[in-house]
Amino acid sequence: KAGVTQTPRYLIKTRGQQVTLSCSPISGHRSVSWYQQTPGQGLQFLFEYFSETQRNKGNFPGRFSGRQFSNSRSEMNVSTLELGDSALYLCASSLMEGRGTEAFFGQGTRLTVV
Amino acid sequence: KNEVEQSPQNLTAQEGEFITINCSYSVGISALHWLQQHPGGGIVSLFMLSSGKKKHGRLIATINIQEKHSSLHITASHPRDSAVYICAVLSSGSARQLTFGSGTQLTVLP
Repeated sequence: KAGVTQTPRYLIKTRGQQVTLSCSPISGHRSVSWYQQTPGQGLQFLFEYFSETQRNKGNFPGRFSGRQFSNSRSEMNVSTLELGDSALYLCASSLMEGRGTEAFFGQGTRLTVV
Repeated sequence: KNEVEQSPQNLTAQEGEFITINCSYSVGISALHWLQQHPGGGIVSLFMLSSGKKKHGRLIATINIQEKHSSLHITASHPRDSAVYICAVLSSGSARQLTFGSGTQLTVLP
């Protein structure tokens, strides 16, 4: 069964632009979470979606947003990009919402803001 | 103080050695994950634990809920085990989000 697919794998954007990243979960998984990884801050939780609804949000500014479609695919958007947004963005899918369900990670999208 | 502390930060071992990576956390949790990240970024979930011990091949993970501590052991280490190992906890509160340790960079020399 196919794993979690993130596209694109690499992206270079200019400060001030906006970017949309995509995550296709494992077939049948309904929960998608997004994480940001930077050398300075490590891995940090961005948000979680389940059944097209945002269930939880981390401590990030409103420039970071996301959505989930009826097929469970999710997108995250970052507007007005800043240099500090350069990071590896990872998504993870789980079968269900709720604690105790294992998360499966994608390969990530490496975003560079110049 | 971070909610999740890992030690050591860096670990170099010779092939064949037994390796232990430790994780301590300060919050109540419903589950703890051990993750492996290779260069290039992709993360693989190795274990999800809520109690006791799990074993998969040469990897063993244990958790002590009372002491808020978990360990990841690698027996007969191999250069292909070289990676960053990350501990992450899922809090037992209403918020479902993973909080991550800073990771342990493991290098296994042939």
